[in-house]
Amino acid sequence: EVQVVQSGTEVKKPGATVKIFCKVSGYTFTDRYMHWVQQAPGKGLEWMGLLDPEDGETSYAEKFQGRVTITADTSTATTYMELSSLRSDDTAVYYCATEGCSGGDCLLDHWGQGTLVTVSS
Amino acid sequence: QLVLTQSPSASASLGASVKLTCTLSSGHSLYAIAWHQQRPEKGPRYLMKLNSDGSHTKGDGIPDRFSGSSSGAERYLTISSLQSEDEADYYCQTWGTGIRVFGGGTKLTVL
Repeated sequence: EVQVVQSGTEVKKPGATVKIFCKVSGYTFTDRYMHWVQQAPGKGLEWMGLLDPEDGETSYAEKFQGRVTITADTSTATTYMELSSLRSDDTAVYYCATEGCSGGDCLLDHWGQGTLVTVSS
Repeated sequence: QLVLTQSPSASASLGASVKLTCTLSSGHSLYAIAWHQQRPEKGPRYLMKLNSDGSHTKGDGIPDRFSGSSSGAERYLTISSLQSEDEADYYCQTWGTGIRVFGGGTKLTVL
Protein backbone atom coordinates (compact mmCIF):
# COMPACT_ATOMS: atom_id res chain seq x y z
CA GLU A 1 0.00 0.00 0.00
CA VAL A 2 1.36 3.40 -1.03
CA GLN A 3 1.55 5.88 1.85
CA VAL A 4 2.47 9.57 1.77
CA VAL A 5 3.12 11.14 5.17
CA GLN A 6 3.92 14.82 5.54
CA SER A 7 5.66 16.89 8.19
CA GLY A 8 3.79 19.02 10.70
CA THR A 9 2.53 22.57 10.95
CA GLU A 10 4.95 25.45 10.51
CA VAL A 11 4.69 29.10 11.57
CA LYS A 12 7.09 31.53 9.92
CA LYS A 13 7.65 35.27 9.77
CA PRO A 14 7.49 37.23 6.51
CA GLY A 15 10.75 37.03 4.60
CA ALA A 16 11.73 33.70 6.15
CA THR A 17 12.20 30.34 4.46
CA VAL A 18 10.22 27.18 5.22
CA LYS A 19 11.25 23.63 4.43
CA ILE A 20 8.69 20.85 4.72
CA PHE A 21 8.87 17.23 3.72
CA CYS A 22 6.95 14.10 2.89
CA LYS A 23 8.01 10.49 3.26
CA VAL A 24 6.61 7.79 1.03
CA SER A 25 6.44 4.02 1.33
CA GLY A 26 4.89 1.06 -0.44
CA TYR A 27 6.70 1.40 -3.77
CA THR A 28 10.14 2.01 -5.25
CA PHE A 29 10.78 5.72 -4.63
CA THR A 30 12.58 6.35 -7.90
CA ASP A 31 9.74 4.89 -10.00
CA ARG A 32 7.33 7.82 -9.49
CA TYR A 33 7.45 11.61 -9.68
CA MET A 34 6.85 13.74 -6.58
CA HIS A 35 4.74 16.89 -6.67
CA TRP A 36 3.87 19.77 -4.37
CA VAL A 37 0.51 21.57 -4.52
CA GLN A 38 -0.54 24.73 -2.69
CA GLN A 39 -4.02 25.40 -1.35
CA ALA A 40 -4.58 28.84 0.15
CA PRO A 41 -7.48 29.25 2.62
CA GLY A 42 -10.79 28.92 0.79
CA LYS A 43 -9.06 28.54 -2.58
CA GLY A 44 -8.42 25.78 -5.08
CA LEU A 45 -5.44 23.55 -5.76
CA GLU A 46 -2.42 25.14 -7.42
CA TRP A 47 0.45 23.05 -8.77
CA MET A 48 3.88 24.24 -7.60
CA GLY A 49 6.35 21.83 -9.10
CA LEU A 50 7.65 18.32 -9.53
CA LEU A 51 10.77 16.27 -9.01
CA ASP A 52 11.92 13.07 -10.66
CA PRO A 53 13.65 11.18 -7.82
CA GLU A 54 15.53 9.04 -10.30
CA ASP A 55 17.73 11.88 -11.56
CA GLY A 56 16.74 14.85 -9.40
CA GLU A 57 15.32 16.77 -12.36
CA THR A 58 12.75 19.40 -11.40
CA SER A 59 10.12 21.54 -13.10
CA TYR A 60 8.41 24.47 -11.40
CA ALA A 61 5.27 26.50 -12.07
CA GLU A 62 6.01 29.98 -13.33
CA LYS A 63 4.30 31.53 -10.31
CA PHE A 64 6.77 29.93 -7.88
CA GLN A 65 9.90 29.89 -10.06
CA GLY A 66 12.83 31.39 -8.16
CA ARG A 67 11.28 30.90 -4.72
CA VAL A 68 10.63 27.15 -4.59
CA THR A 69 13.14 24.31 -4.47
CA ILE A 70 12.15 20.64 -4.45
CA THR A 71 14.74 18.05 -3.48
CA ALA A 72 14.79 14.42 -2.41
CA ASP A 73 16.76 11.99 -0.30
CA THR A 74 16.49 8.63 -2.04
CA SER A 75 17.99 6.80 0.94
CA THR A 76 14.95 7.71 3.06
CA ALA A 77 12.33 8.09 0.28
CA THR A 78 11.75 11.65 1.46
CA THR A 79 10.94 14.70 -0.65
CA TYR A 80 11.51 18.26 0.55
CA MET A 81 9.91 21.52 -0.53
CA GLU A 82 11.62 24.78 0.39
CA LEU A 83 9.80 28.09 -0.16
CA SER A 84 11.75 31.29 0.41
CA SER A 85 10.96 35.00 0.86
CA LEU A 86 7.69 34.08 2.52
CA ARG A 87 4.75 36.48 2.30
CA SER A 88 1.38 36.47 4.02
CA ASP A 89 -0.25 35.08 0.88
CA ASP A 90 1.95 31.98 1.16
CA THR A 91 -0.20 30.99 4.13
CA ALA A 92 -1.67 27.75 2.87
CA VAL A 93 -1.88 24.00 3.19
CA TYR A 94 0.81 22.36 1.09
CA TYR A 95 0.15 18.89 -0.28
CA CYS A 96 2.68 16.36 -1.45
CA ALA A 97 1.55 13.82 -4.03
CA THR A 98 3.16 10.95 -5.88
CA GLU A 99 2.52 10.38 -9.55
CA GLY A 100 2.91 7.38 -11.81
CA CYS A 101 3.52 7.91 -15.52
CA SER A 102 2.92 5.26 -18.16
CA GLY A 103 2.43 5.54 -21.90
CA GLY A 104 2.22 9.32 -21.77
CA ASP A 105 -0.34 9.36 -18.97
CA CYS A 106 0.65 10.75 -15.58
CA LEU A 107 -1.64 10.19 -12.61
CA LEU A 108 -1.42 12.01 -9.27
CA ASP A 109 -2.98 9.09 -7.48
CA HIS A 110 -1.66 9.22 -3.92
CA TRP A 111 -1.77 12.34 -1.76
CA GLY A 112 -0.37 13.29 1.60
CA GLN A 113 -2.46 14.69 4.44
CA GLY A 114 -1.21 18.23 3.95
CA THR A 115 1.06 20.58 5.90
CA LEU A 116 -0.24 23.95 7.12
CA VAL A 117 2.22 26.80 6.77
CA THR A 118 1.24 30.07 8.41
CA VAL A 119 3.15 33.24 7.59
CA SER A 120 2.58 35.94 10.18
CA SER A 121 4.54 38.66 11.90
CA GLN B 1 -2.13 27.87 -22.89
CA LEU B 2 -3.41 24.76 -21.14
CA VAL B 3 -6.37 25.76 -18.97
CA LEU B 4 -9.19 23.79 -17.35
CA THR B 5 -12.49 25.54 -16.61
CA GLN B 6 -15.05 24.34 -14.06
CA SER B 7 -18.28 25.83 -12.75
CA PRO B 8 -17.76 27.05 -9.17
CA SER B 9 -20.75 25.25 -7.72
CA ALA B 10 -23.36 22.57 -8.27
CA SER B 11 -26.11 21.04 -6.20
CA ALA B 12 -28.35 18.00 -6.33
CA SER B 13 -30.63 16.09 -4.00
CA LEU B 14 -29.78 13.07 -1.93
CA GLY B 15 -30.24 9.93 -4.06
CA ALA B 16 -30.23 11.86 -7.35
CA SER B 17 -27.50 12.12 -9.98
CA VAL B 18 -25.26 15.05 -10.87
CA LYS B 19 -22.93 15.70 -13.81
CA LEU B 20 -19.96 17.99 -13.29
CA THR B 21 -18.16 19.55 -16.25
CA CYS B 22 -14.53 20.38 -16.94
CA THR B 23 -13.66 22.18 -20.18
CA LEU B 24 -10.25 22.04 -21.82
CA SER B 25 -8.86 25.15 -23.46
CA SER B 26 -8.77 25.57 -27.24
CA GLY B 27 -6.29 23.27 -28.95
CA HIS B 28 -6.25 20.80 -26.09
CA SER B 29 -9.47 18.87 -26.75
CA LEU B 30 -7.71 15.49 -27.00
CA TYR B 31 -6.08 15.70 -23.57
CA ALA B 32 -6.93 13.15 -20.90
CA ILE B 33 -7.70 14.46 -17.45
CA ALA B 34 -7.97 13.19 -13.89
CA TRP B 35 -10.75 13.89 -11.40
CA HIS B 36 -9.97 14.41 -7.71
CA GLN B 37 -12.36 14.71 -4.77
CA GLN B 38 -11.66 16.85 -1.70
CA ARG B 39 -14.03 16.48 1.22
CA PRO B 40 -14.23 19.28 3.79
CA GLU B 41 -11.06 19.64 5.84
CA LYS B 42 -9.45 16.67 4.05
CA GLY B 43 -6.73 16.19 1.48
CA PRO B 44 -7.51 15.44 -2.17
CA ARG B 45 -8.35 11.92 -3.26
CA TYR B 46 -7.78 10.61 -6.78
CA LEU B 47 -11.00 9.39 -8.40
CA MET B 48 -10.25 8.49 -12.00
CA LYS B 49 -8.43 9.12 -15.24
CA LEU B 50 -10.71 10.11 -18.11
CA ASN B 51 -9.69 9.90 -21.78
CA SER B 52 -10.98 11.98 -24.69
CA ASP B 53 -13.00 9.00 -25.95
CA GLY B 54 -14.81 8.72 -22.60
CA SER B 55 -13.01 5.62 -21.42
CA HIS B 56 -11.97 5.91 -17.78
CA THR B 57 -10.01 4.06 -15.14
CA LYS B 58 -10.95 4.57 -11.51
CA GLY B 59 -8.68 4.58 -8.52
CA ASP B 60 -8.69 1.89 -5.87
CA GLY B 61 -11.91 1.70 -3.87
CA ILE B 62 -13.83 4.28 -5.89
CA PRO B 63 -17.52 3.25 -5.94
CA ASP B 64 -19.35 2.32 -9.14
CA ARG B 65 -21.55 5.40 -8.55
CA PHE B 66 -18.72 7.51 -9.98
CA SER B 67 -18.28 7.49 -13.75
CA GLY B 68 -16.74 9.65 -16.45
CA SER B 69 -17.56 10.63 -20.01
CA SER B 70 -16.28 13.03 -22.67
CA SER B 71 -17.58 15.12 -25.55
CA GLY B 72 -15.18 17.26 -27.56
CA ALA B 73 -13.25 19.45 -25.15
CA GLU B 74 -15.57 18.67 -22.27
CA ARG B 75 -14.91 16.08 -19.61
CA TYR B 76 -17.65 15.00 -17.25
CA LEU B 77 -17.87 13.40 -13.85
CA THR B 78 -21.23 11.81 -13.08
CA ILE B 79 -22.13 10.78 -9.56
CA SER B 80 -25.29 8.71 -9.24
CA SER B 81 -27.31 7.81 -6.14
CA LEU B 82 -25.85 10.82 -4.33
CA GLN B 83 -24.91 10.33 -0.72
CA SER B 84 -24.16 12.94 1.93
CA GLU B 85 -20.48 11.93 1.88
CA ASP B 86 -20.29 13.04 -1.77
CA GLU B 87 -20.57 16.67 -0.66
CA ALA B 88 -17.10 17.89 -1.55
CA ASP B 89 -15.00 19.93 -3.92
CA TYR B 90 -14.20 18.22 -7.22
CA TYR B 91 -11.13 19.18 -9.24
CA CYS B 92 -10.16 18.20 -12.73
CA GLN B 93 -6.46 18.10 -13.55
CA THR B 94 -4.33 17.46 -16.59
CA TRP B 95 -0.70 17.18 -17.53
CA GLY B 96 1.86 18.16 -20.12
CA THR B 97 5.63 17.96 -20.34
CA GLY B 98 6.91 19.56 -17.15
CA ILE B 99 3.56 21.03 -16.20
CA ARG B 100 0.44 20.04 -14.32
CA VAL B 101 -2.77 22.08 -14.33
CA PHE B 102 -5.81 22.07 -12.04
CA GLY B 103 -9.24 23.44 -12.77
CA GLY B 104 -10.68 25.89 -10.29
CA GLY B 105 -12.86 23.22 -8.68
CA THR B 106 -16.60 22.69 -8.32
CA LYS B 107 -18.20 22.75 -4.88
CA LEU B 108 -20.93 20.10 -4.83
CA THR B 109 -23.74 20.51 -2.32
CA VAL B 110 -25.98 17.54 -1.60
CA LEU B 111 -29.44 18.82 -0.66
